[in-house]
Amino acid sequence: QQPVQSPQAVILREGEDAVINCSSSKALYSVHWYRQKHGEAPVFLMILLKGGEQKGHDKISASFNEKKQQSSLYLTASQLSYSGTYFCGTERDDKIIFGKGTRLHILP
Amino acid sequence: DTGVSQDPRHKITKRGQNVTFRCDPISEHNRLYWYRQTLGQGPEFLTYFQNEAQLEKSRLLSDRFSAERPKGSFSTLEIQRTEQGDSAMYLCASSLREKLFFGSGTQLSVL
Repeated sequence: QQPVQSPQAVILREGEDAVINCSSSKALYSVHWYRQKHGEAPVFLMILLKGGEQKGHDKISASFNEKKQQSSLYLTASQLSYSGTYFCGTERDDKIIFGKGTRLHILP
Repeated sequence: DTGVSQDPRHKITKRGQNVTFRCDPISEHNRLYWYRQTLGQGPEFLTYFQNEAQLEKSRLLSDRFSAERPKGSFSTLEIQRTEQGDSAMYLCASSLREKLFFGSGTQLSVL
């Protein structure tokens, strides 16, 4: 079953923060985050494994709450290069099922 | 690491025609995935291979779709008797462990 992402779209000014949420109705063992820029292929950001860990990638970090079956992606002091669509994915039977994505647009 | 390559980048075809796409994964990657993506949606799983074995095919995939990965190297995805609803970006990804490396995709337009 496809994970649910919120919000669907975000518009920020450069330097502002954003949070993107991902939830699943089924038990989560891992959560994957990818970013896709317009006209390009999705690019891996990070994987979170169960254990409630938090990971970071530059000024982008994420948390994973397996009890709540949720993950959140945090973008701090956003830069123009952060614009794109962010997808979370849940792993099931060796394949990743992606959400519909959150479109992030950063204004200068 | 030369990345995942897909060919062609764009394909325009008439309804009812057959089309075939090719994917060359990263050489040491044993898993290869096919996804389909339409505008405003996330990548939708179609099928995947571990080496040359096709381990799963989405139930959403009709019998008009077939994929192969001979000798566990490159893969082809064929769509027979194309329909306008098949218009989408077809993405290939390969992996060694959990992390997927995507190709640039083949954009299919069915007229």
